[in-house]
Amino acid sequence: GENVEQHPSTLSVQEGDSAVIKCTYSDSASNYFPWYKQELGKGPQLIIDIRSNVGEKKDQRIAVTLNKTAKHFSLHITETQPEDSAVYFCAAYYNQAGTALIFGKGTTLSVSS
Amino acid sequence: GAVVSQHPSWVICKSGTSVKIECRSLDFQATTMFWYRQFPKQSLMLMATSNEGSKATYEQGVEKDKFLINHASLTLSTLTVTSAHPEDSSFYICSARAGGAQSEQYFGPGTRLTVT
Repeated sequence: GENVEQHPSTLSVQEGDSAVIKCTYSDSASNYFPWYKQELGKGPQLIIDIRSNVGEKKDQRIAVTLNKTAKHFSLHITETQPEDSAVYFCAAYYNQAGTALIFGKGTTLSVSS
Repeated sequence: GAVVSQHPSWVICKSGTSVKIECRSLDFQATTMFWYRQFPKQSLMLMATSNEGSKATYEQGVEKDKFLINHASLTLSTLTVTSAHPEDSSFYICSARAGGAQSEQYFGPGTRLTVT
């Protein structure tokens, strides 16, 4: 089955700085890699995703990069703002049938002003 | 678009009773629905996967007789926690997918279950 490792577990940055969160996955058959933001007491919200046919995708201050050879993908947030403070999860599909997403352990991002 | 709702948002029940949680896809038909459980400060753990009209597939370690899943239509799945115990207290999150394998999954807002 799939195994998703996520680092770091906590990340503190100053407002305006960049934040990078990294994940590795084990199943070479995985081809869809989403990132979710979860605020306290709420369900996860999809913020960006990437498929294996591209190496990078950007949406305003958020970008995701994928290295299929190395089996890792990263979330990049630029010009961080206090409202970016939340828990971020990476995910990848579980087993070759692509049955369900499994999640990394999460990164708690704190942006101080 | 792609909205998933859950009801109730929170529930308190007594030990030994059962509680049902509903998950609905509001603006799309969900070919597959998923149930996750999240303990405080932990990640989401997949409990089971269900396809409309079929029996759910449970992950290892999840008791199918305790966590009953019914995926009765393309827009509704229910999770019933039977004979609840305090250790079942958790945040239960459903998810739905409209497409096939490795397509987007949309998540509900979660249900906070507290068993006293």
